[in-house]
Amino acid sequence: GAGVSQSPSNKVTEKGKDVELRCDPISGHTALYWYRQSLGQGLEFLIYFQGNSAPDKSGLPSDRFSAERTGGSVSTLTIQRTQQEDSAVYLCASSLGLAGNLGGDEQYFGPGTRLTVT
Amino acid sequence: QKEVEQDPGPLSVPEGAIVSLNCTYSNSAFQYFMWYRQYSRKGPELLMYTYSSGNKEDGRFTAQVDKSSKYISLFIRDSQPSDSATYLCAMSAIPGGGADGLTFGKGTHLIIQP
Repeated sequence: GAGVSQSPSNKVTEKGKDVELRCDPISGHTALYWYRQSLGQGLEFLIYFQGNSAPDKSGLPSDRFSAERTGGSVSTLTIQRTQQEDSAVYLCASSLGLAGNLGGDEQYFGPGTRLTVT
Repeated sequence: QKEVEQDPGPLSVPEGAIVSLNCTYSNSAFQYFMWYRQYSRKGPELLMYTYSSGNKEDGRFTAQVDKSSKYISLFIRDSQPSDSATYLCAMSAIPGGGADGLTFGKGTHLIIQP
């Protein structure tokens, strides 16, 4: 079946411009996660959605970052007034969102959006 | 001290060798442990998922968790050139990580020489 898709795959923007990144999770997955992967760094968790709700937004790096999810499906991550340090690969993952020791919470990742701020 | 430590490598071994990849962690609350494989310019791909201590085998891959030592391992038997990739360990205290997400190591770059 179809996996997690993300668009655009690459985005080059000028410093100070706003960008919007899109994630389309696996059908039926209620949980959605955003991560950032910078050069030489591990994956950094940004935000989690269960359905349309994000219970904790403290992982977002600054108030220039915002995220929303509508209809329990597609999510967008918006970065306002981009800075050069925002350059990274932004990865989205989804899971069934089941809480248990037998699985159902495994996260499946999309291919990422490579953001370059010049 | 970072929550999860992982040697970045590169680790280079000949084809057919047994590969051992490891992570150590400091948060004793972690109970769910994962290994992901990431090819260049691709998203991470889930390889192994384990809960608590013990071993889990899937084909050529074996995951081991030792919670008493806060140490996890991934073994790859009969390594192939196609196994060349970056291997990321990840862990969480609750299923899926919830509002904390998964905590990742920085990844080990593995090269299998033909």
